[in-house]
Order: sequence, then C-alpha cells, then structure tokens
Amino acid sequence: SQQGEEDPQALSIQEGENATMNCSYKTSINNLQWYRQNSGRGLVHLILIRSNEREKHSGRLRVTLDTSKKSSSLLITASRAADTASYFCATALNSGNTPLVFGKGTRLSVIA
Amino acid sequence: DTGVSQNPRHKITKRGQNVTFRCDPISEHNRLYWYRQTLGQGPEFLTYFQNEAQLEKSRLLSDRFSAERPKGSFSTLEIQRTEQGDSAMYLCASSFQGDTGELFFGEGSRLTVL
Repeated sequence: SQQGEEDPQALSIQEGENATMNCSYKTSINNLQWYRQNSGRGLVHLILIRSNEREKHSGRLRVTLDTSKKSSSLLITASRAADTASYFCATALNSGNTPLVFGKGTRLSVIA
Repeated sequence: DTGVSQNPRHKITKRGQNVTFRCDPISEHNRLYWYRQTLGQGPEFLTYFQNEAQLEKSRLLSDRFSAERPKGSFSTLEIQRTEQGDSAMYLCASSFQGDTGELFFGEGSRLTVL
C-alpha cells in the first residue's frame, strides 16, 4: 500500500513560474523525503525533512512539513524545462528509517 | 564505484519463463532494497536486506519471487513462471545503516512479459 498521496497528479507550468506539489500521509513518521524521477530512469533524492522540522531549503527547493495535518509541500522556484520530471514524496515509518513508502507522484511539465 | 548498477536494463520474456535481475549497490552500503514500479505509479516496496540477511518482505512478493544477497554485496531478484502482471520496472536501491534513510537508486530493470 502507498502511504503518501501527492497532489496534483499532474502539473503544467511555464518556465520561470513556481511549482508547488503537496503530499499527505496517514501515519506518524520519522522523516519525509522528496525524490525526482526522469522518465524511464531511477529516482534521485532531493531533500529530507525530519518530523521535528517545519521547513527546509536546498537551492531552488523549499519543503515544509506539518505533522498535525500530516502533510508536506515541495516548492520549486523559478522552474526550468530541465525540472520536467515526476516528483515523489516518501515517508519513513519507523525508527530504523526503513523501508521508505512512496506516494504515486506528481508529474511536472515545465514548458519553455 | 559511482552508484547503484542494475542489469539487464531491459528484459522481454514470454509468459511462463523465469527471469533474473541483478543489482550491485554502492560498495559501502550494507542495506539493499527492491521496489517495483508500474506505469504512472510510485515505487512499491518488495523486500530489503541488511548485509546478507533478508529483513522484510512485502505481501507483494509472491512465492514466485525470490531475492538473495548471498555475500552481502550484490543481490538478485528472480521471478519464476512470469505473468503479464509482472511487467514493471524493478528498482534497486541501497543505503548505509545509520544514515538518514536516503536511498540511492539504480536506473532500474524494465520487464515486459508477452
């Protein structure tokens, strides 16, 4: 079963705009991670936020976590065509941080 | 060693045949995971190893699936008597116990069962 649900399922924006993707989950977590996947390729880790953190930044990425609402958001600022990919949230459910449970993903298209 | 390596990258087989996928993790990682991903879905956990011990298996891993990691290094995932529903991308990932839980993925092995 998949713990996380991303919203929207698909998102299309113009280059230079910001992209926001949301993730909701069901049970208590140790941390939440975001991954990116280009078509037909493996997943690449983007950012991790721990359950005691509320916001984290990495370059053009900003992640927030609201444990009371069991939700997270990923913001990509000043998007580029190269950001076109699927983005997945993944939750670590136990103290051993394994295994990660992934959502169904948001497919982002950035139009040049 | 620059990352997780999987082969073959693509496999086309006929229903009923057996297939085997291999994963070579990052050398210093002692945890190795297998996930399955179908089109438009997120990766679904199948099983994972810590060193050579298989610590957890998903309900998705039917008795036709077997995974091994005999020396705690590379791993194999075998599917016996393949069915069309087995068509998917099989992803391998590795991590180091004690890390934050970040997984390093290979490029995947895409299976098509005709």
